[in-house]
Amino acid sequence: GENVEQHPSTLSVQEGDSAVIKCTYSDSASNYFPWYKQELGKGPQLIIDIRSNVGEKKDQRIAVTLNKTAKHFSLHITETQPEDSAVYFCAAPGGSYIPTFGRGTSLIVHP
Amino acid sequence: NAGVTQTPKFQVLKTGQSMTLQCAQDMNHNSMYWYRQDPGMGLRLIYYSASEGTTDKGEVPNGYNVSRLNKREFSLRLESAAPSQTSVYFCASTFPRQAYNEQFFGPGTRLTVL
Repeated sequence: GENVEQHPSTLSVQEGDSAVIKCTYSDSASNYFPWYKQELGKGPQLIIDIRSNVGEKKDQRIAVTLNKTAKHFSLHITETQPEDSAVYFCAAPGGSYIPTFGRGTSLIVHP
Repeated sequence: NAGVTQTPKFQVLKTGQSMTLQCAQDMNHNSMYWYRQDPGMGLRLIYYSASEGTTDKGEVPNGYNVSRLNKREFSLRLESAAPSQTSVYFCASTFPRQAYNEQFFGPGTRLTVL
């Protein structure tokens, strides 16, 4: 099955700084890489995703990059704001349609 | 649309008690999932249902059973609760079987087993 590793487990930044979260995966069959944001007391919600035929995707202050050769993908958040504070999860499906999730990154943005 | 709903939101059980967690979705999704979330462990798949009438084990199925009641509803049952089952449980659903699937999550059930 797929194995997804996510780093760091905790990330603390000052408001306005950038934040980067990295994930590696093991199964070369993975072709879809979503990122979910989980706010306190809520379920995870998709914020951005990327397919294997694209190297980078942006949506306002967030972006995801993918390196299929190295089997890693990253979430980039620029100009962080206090409302970006949350737990972020990456995922990869391996050869199935069922995603394997990383262990999560707790992002803390200090005002 | 309500999306994915879960009941109850909170529950406290004693060791050995049983309970059923309920999940429903109104998005006409075929596939539904149950996850548990523990600190530092991410989201681990307990059971899933690819379509109405089918269920399969995930990564951590021991101590749980599921029922896909119809296309909308997918329940998770703990027959004899143990303290190790203290966790936050999330139900999720997706569109028909495809590679590029966004999962829609419910708000979670916070379960404590004493």
